[in-house]
Amino acid sequence: EVQLVESGGGLVQPGGSLRLSCAASGFTFSSYSMNWVRQAPGKGLEWVSYISTGSTTVYYADSVKGRFTISRDNAKNSLYLQMNSLRDEDTAVYYCVCYYDSSGLRYFQHWGQGTLVTVSS
Amino acid sequence: DIQMTQSPSSLSASVGDRVTITCRASQSISNYLNWFQQKPGKAPKLLIYAASTLQTGVPSRFSGSGSGTDFTLTISSLQPEDFATYSCQQSYGIPFNFGPGTTVDIK
Repeated sequence: EVQLVESGGGLVQPGGSLRLSCAASGFTFSSYSMNWVRQAPGKGLEWVSYISTGSTTVYYADSVKGRFTISRDNAKNSLYLQMNSLRDEDTAVYYCVCYYDSSGLRYFQHWGQGTLVTVSS
Repeated sequence: DIQMTQSPSSLSASVGDRVTITCRASQSISNYLNWFQQKPGKAPKLLIYAASTLQTGVPSRFSGSGSGTDFTLTISSLQPEDFATYSCQQSYGIPFNFGPGTTVDIK
């Protein structure tokens, strides 16, 4: 069974930093690109960042570019999101998402349960 | 960036009703369109990918259609467990934008 378990969320002051982790199991983590998606309270889903299987390609939403860094450790089956210079508007549930990309198909296949990040003074 | 819109933003329906939700992309995305269902406090769940392919385990009352810029999600006979928020998403290119969501609630 595929499992994605996020951790590292919590309360942080504006300007602070936080590092999210996602532990993957039940599939060959190193074969899948990964994403972070967030959802502010009462709002829709917002794609945040993408990383390729070998970490050679990364992308960010404009809203987090220059402040967030995505990374992965295939030996540890883990995905990370380093978040710096946090703002009130970064308050959201952050989801770790497995990305299927093969044979002309591309979709967000499996989602973690999410971890809540609250930015507030 | 490719912008995604959905209509309606919300709808009220009864068990057994046929429900249709529309999603539109600001430019052609071929069939790189996915649909998700989300219930309160839960993670989104993939329903349909590539515009019309049902994810494994999703009931056949769900169906998707469309190509290019216009897409629809149809629930042929609404069941109590289908009351939720439905979001479309394009996987054609970065950023992988989502639609704003359509909330289906009980009439």
